[in-house]
Amino acid sequence: DAKTTQPTSMDCAEGRAANLPCNHSTISGNEYVYWYRQIHSQGPQYIIHGLKNNETNEMASLIITEDRKSSTLILPHATLRDTAVYYCIVNRDGNYQLIWGAGTKLIIKP
Amino acid sequence: ETGVTQTPRHLVMGMTNKKSLKCEQHLGHNAMYWYKQSAKKPLELMFVYNFKEQTENNSVPSRFSPECPNSSHLFLHLHTLQPEDSALYLCASSQDSNEKLFFGSGTQLSVL
Repeated sequence: DAKTTQPTSMDCAEGRAANLPCNHSTISGNEYVYWYRQIHSQGPQYIIHGLKNNETNEMASLIITEDRKSSTLILPHATLRDTAVYYCIVNRDGNYQLIWGAGTKLIIKP
Repeated sequence: ETGVTQTPRHLVMGMTNKKSLKCEQHLGHNAMYWYKQSAKKPLELMFVYNFKEQTENNSVPSRFSPECPNSSHLFLHLHTLQPEDSALYLCASSQDSNEKLFFGSGTQLSVL
């Protein structure tokens, strides 16, 4: 299964858009891109996922490049509560073995 | 509130103790998971149950014994653990294998 590469950490000012990149250059055609986040001492929380098209929900937007080799998670108006570790994962149907990397530690600053 | 409840929230046990972690999901999901998260390490999948049947066992030592009596409840029985087993143990559920996961808050386990 494909692996992902994310920056170790990022800062963002409160109220600004936070753009978190993810590289998944070996992604297969049947693999989805998933994003989760983990706030300190809690379990991970699902944010959004997509296959080819850009996706948007109440939490975030997911932009996937046309070649699907990278994606960006966008938190449009970051708040202090968005401080967390953000994980980008690729996975296909029928596979329980999600590969969790170290993620990106996003710190929102006042 | 994610719909997945784990108890206890914290647990301290000696190496000779026997304890159990409990997970309950109120989402009507078919799959349930145990994950281990050690300090400064990625999440590691331990066990997966789908429709109460164990489908994945990632070479977990026998001192960890899972039990899934029905699709809403999952247990992790612990015995003769080692200090290196100290970690955050997370339960999750999903409708199917590739559906989004819903996690509990975890049990922070310390083995002395």
